[in-house]
Amino acid sequence: KNEVEQSPQNLTAQEGEFITINCSYSVGISALHWLQQHPGGGIVSLFMLSSGKKKHGRLIATINIQEKHSSLHITASHPRDSAVYICAVPYSGGGADGLTFGKGTHLIIQP
Amino acid sequence: GAGVSQSPRYKVAKRGQDVALRCDPISGHVSLFWYQQALGQGPEFLTYFQNEAQLDKSGLPSDRFFAERPEGSVSTLKIQRTQQEDSAVYLCASSLAAREFIADTQYFGPGTRLTVL
Repeated sequence: KNEVEQSPQNLTAQEGEFITINCSYSVGISALHWLQQHPGGGIVSLFMLSSGKKKHGRLIATINIQEKHSSLHITASHPRDSAVYICAVPYSGGGADGLTFGKGTHLIIQP
Repeated sequence: GAGVSQSPRYKVAKRGQDVALRCDPISGHVSLFWYQQALGQGPEFLTYFQNEAQLDKSGLPSDRFFAERPEGSVSTLKIQRTQQEDSAVYLCASSLAAREFIADTQYFGPGTRLTVL
């Protein structure tokens, strides 16, 4: 089973700051997922990536397959970005498996 | 189109009761996943279907948990003789899985919050 570590567990920052959340995993994978969960809310998929970098608005995700590491960056952070950000990888490393999740990073952006 | 829906959204059961949780995936999605999220924790994988076939049930915590997807669309997660430790949010997700064995985006339902008294 793949093991996923995220850091930091909690992060409080001021509006406008550049945010970085890190994720590392133990077993080689075909793709990694970054997800967002608001308190009491559902989970939304932000990115699925297998190499390089993806960008969507102010969010950027990068992955280094050799080092088994991914980062999620938020530029010009805003209070509405406050949420739990979760990294997830295939349960057994394969492609279409269920996911193993990190414990999440609780992000609070203060105005 | 409509996203993944789950029902009921909230369920309170007395210890020992059986419960059934329903998931309606996005129409046409081949893969369906069940996850369990305990309070303050990340989700944990329970089981996975491709069409009607249950390809992986290694995450089911005990033989009290049973999932089915008989016609390859709607899925039901059943928990027999519920225990307090079963209290959690049960999440369903589906993916198109257009290419077999290739990772695809998973779309999550709102979850069913189960409380066992």
